[in-house]
Amino acid sequence: GAGVSQSPSNKVTEKGKDVELRCDPISGHTALYWYRQSLGQGLEFLIYFQGNSAPDKSGLPSDRFSAERTGGSVSTLTIQRTQQEDSAVYLCASSSLAGGGNEQFFGPGTRLTVL
Amino acid sequence: KNQVEQSPQSLIILEGKNCTLQCNYTVSPFSNLRWYKQDTGRGPVSLTIMTFSENTKSNGRYTATLDADTKQSSLHITASQLSDSASYICVVSAWEYSGGGADGLTFGKGTHLIIQP
Repeated sequence: GAGVSQSPSNKVTEKGKDVELRCDPISGHTALYWYRQSLGQGLEFLIYFQGNSAPDKSGLPSDRFSAERTGGSVSTLTIQRTQQEDSAVYLCASSSLAGGGNEQFFGPGTRLTVL
Repeated sequence: KNQVEQSPQSLIILEGKNCTLQCNYTVSPFSNLRWYKQDTGRGPVSLTIMTFSENTKSNGRYTATLDADTKQSSLHITASQLSDSASYICVVSAWEYSGGGADGLTFGKGTHLIIQP
């Protein structure tokens, strides 16, 4: 595809359930980022992958959150034992290189609602 | 601590009018500043990027300015259109980033702009 895609676009789950969010970056992009955007708030960095390097997990809010990136392409963000405060839009972005000088291309996001 | 502050938090203007959004930052050492536009239900899209040596950059009706001395940037929208209704996010990158979170990027909380007919 031409851009970053994410699935599902919307996810409603019950408190305590696990969820998986998927991100397909632009082909060839080596850097991949996950962000969380709560209503009325700015983007909150979660995790960053660059090539085959160990991911930067410094933004993950708790050990219930994890992410992996298989084969340097598709990434999955997993939230275990979801809580109501996890409700937010989860955005994925990719860029051709790491570093803030390189434009990040964002997906449309997954809106997660935890009941 | 690196911070990016945007103002106003929200703004409502009539179609055809001009407006200016502000971004103040304390990111150091500064590398570049980027303005993104985020339509409702969509991901952000880059409008402009400016490095230390650039003080103005245009993209159609959007003009960004940068004063690296005062650490301020503005985004000016000329002859606003209904399609300009969106959130505008200022993102500042630290130079020669070598560790830590978010790949050296600090995001503002955005300005929510509404254009009324």
